[in-house]
Amino acid sequence: DVVLTQTPVAQPVTLGDQASISCRSSQSLVHSNGNTYLEWYLQKPGQSPQLLIYKVSNRFSGVPDRFIGSGSGSDFTLKISRVEPEDLGVYYCFQATHDPFTFGSGTKLEIK
Amino acid sequence: AVQLVESGGGLVQPKESLKISCAASGFTFSNAAMYWVRQAPGKGLEWVARIRTKPNNYATYYADSVKGRFTISRDDSKSMVYLQMDNLKTEDTAMYYCTAPILRVSQFAYWGQGTLVTVSS
Repeated sequence: DVVLTQTPVAQPVTLGDQASISCRSSQSLVHSNGNTYLEWYLQKPGQSPQLLIYKVSNRFSGVPDRFIGSGSGSDFTLKISRVEPEDLGVYYCFQATHDPFTFGSGTKLEIK
Repeated sequence: AVQLVESGGGLVQPKESLKISCAASGFTFSNAAMYWVRQAPGKGLEWVARIRTKPNNYATYYADSVKGRFTISRDDSKSMVYLQMDNLKTEDTAMYYCTAPILRVSQFAYWGQGTLVTVSS
């Protein structure tokens, strides 16, 4: 199975600053069709996860442009500029290139 | 608007069975592969099961951790997806989420609120 390693485990941040989360895959996430099915989710406290980014860098409907996904192959990053209180929670990367689909172990974005 | 409403969770003893349900609305259910994802208390997310559509023969797929014990099914006439869980183990204790896709976007674009399954003696 593909293993997604997220770092850091916890990211203390000052409101208004930038945060960065890394997701590294144990193998390339480039599908045979040329797409890279790497996604990012945010789970706010007490809520269900919500989709933020799909296919590495595409923001889902309603997601602010403060959220920027980037990367290729097996190395990916989510950057959140000007962190706001509603951005706090646990961020998960996820791959749907290889069966079985797998999630990273999560990064908790918290107030410094 | 897309809605996914899970139900049927509860407290069961090890080795018992439980069937949870998900009622879907707001999209063409029969055209969508459906999924169950779970989250143990204080832990991360784990994909559990997937069922494809009628043109794909309702093919099913399972995580190794539940293979042989869980069965996913669907009723397109009712826009419902189910997860039959047999021979439950304490490690199956989790919030179970139903998810729905958006074609060419994501398989997990929409999530329900979850239903809690607790396996304990």
